[in-house]
Amino acid sequence: NAGVTQTPKFQVLKTGQSMTLQCAQDMNHNSMYWYRQDPGMGLRLIYYSASEGTTDKGEVPNGYNVSRLNKREFSLRLESAAPSQTSVYFCASRGKAEAFFGQGTRLTVV
Amino acid sequence: RKEVEQDPGPFNVPEGATVAFNCTYSNSASQSFFWYRQDCRKEPKLLMSVYSSGNEDGRFTAQLNRASQYISLLIRDSKLSDSATYLCVPSSGGSYIPTFGRGTSLIVHP
Repeated sequence: NAGVTQTPKFQVLKTGQSMTLQCAQDMNHNSMYWYRQDPGMGLRLIYYSASEGTTDKGEVPNGYNVSRLNKREFSLRLESAAPSQTSVYFCASRGKAEAFFGQGTRLTVV
Repeated sequence: RKEVEQDPGPFNVPEGATVAFNCTYSNSASQSFFWYRQDCRKEPKLLMSVYSSGNEDGRFTAQLNRASQYISLLIRDSKLSDSATYLCVPSSGGSYIPTFGRGTSLIVHP
């Protein structure tokens, strides 16, 4: 049972570089989410997609873009990485009830 | 006012102890609740769903107090493996966006 799969698991970027974090779910969920978690902090919502074809900003969207490619996939793009974006990124999906999370991407921007 | 408020702890208890912590929520329309546990540097995982006044699953009991707008989690006979951060997430219906606070840190020691 794959659930929610995120790639990559680890990434180091230089300031100014761009990258895309990939997320895919195989549970036929409509809703998908991207969160970031900084040390000692809760999960903060970056962007979400309530259904295929829609995306909306969350609490901390600046510096990010997203694409809901299809029902399964929801990607997060950093166009010009900054050290403040060093964090752990979690993708989640949700059907009618609870959310399911991917294993996270640990991103360091130097 | 934050949607969810939890005492961050840490709650430091010996093995075998009973420990309880609360989660206060602000949205009176919240219908159901989810308790997640998050191990250090890992993704949150669902511990328990609460759809009515409470729920019990083995050593874990959740109780909902709608009048005072809080939900509690009771852990009996604590194990070392219970050490984690516990997060509560209220749901106001099918379109809710999972919102997380910092959670409550539990440390169970020998």
